[in-house]
Amino acid sequence: DGGITQSPKYLFRKEGQNVTLSCEQNLNHDAMYWYRQDPGQGLRLIYYSQIVNDFQKGDIAEGYSVSREKKESFPLTVTSAQKNPTAFYLCASHRGEVGNQPQHFGDGTRLSIL
Amino acid sequence: AQSVTQLGSHVSVSEGALVLLRCNYSSSVPPYLFWYVQYPNQGLQLLLKYTTGATLVKGINGFEAEFKKSETSFHLTKPSAHMSDAAEYFCAVSDGGYQKVTFGTGTKLQVIP
Repeated sequence: DGGITQSPKYLFRKEGQNVTLSCEQNLNHDAMYWYRQDPGQGLRLIYYSQIVNDFQKGDIAEGYSVSREKKESFPLTVTSAQKNPTAFYLCASHRGEVGNQPQHFGDGTRLSIL
Repeated sequence: AQSVTQLGSHVSVSEGALVLLRCNYSSSVPPYLFWYVQYPNQGLQLLLKYTTGATLVKGINGFEAEFKKSETSFHLTKPSAHMSDAAEYFCAVSDGGYQKVTFGTGTKLQVIP
């Protein structure tokens, strides 16, 4: 079955450490997204990519970086500059125009500080 | 700019009672509207969407929502709550095209036996 795979499910970060969250999709979708979810704040957009080798900052991009070298993959790096990284991170993708196409979500990665 | 407001961060209903989750939106153009459901430690799943056409939209698991332009609302309803409906529900809006989607802050639904 097609879908989005996020790994790992749980991740712990030490002070000053960069960590990378994986997101892989086999839905043949062009567009991919990273969201951060905190209790009571809904989903906030970190980065999105509508095509390979191109991506744009979302609302809360500071302290994060991404790459899009392959259509199937959109990894997110949480850098040491992100001072409050503890959150649930969701990757999503969709085909066509986001305005009228639903997004498909992975099952998330929960990141915590050690 | 688009925005969405979900009234009530927590809603409790008795099993078998009506479920009503409120969503109001703001959009400069005719909006595209979505409801998603999230179970603990999982991603979001689409319940239903409104793009154009019929204003009453039926989704999965017996849920439906009505687009009311005059009230800028897209409330989610289900006639009879089931224990399995306990989850967090997110309303989302988009202006269409390649614009991003904006999510509400979510409503956690508790179903009391």
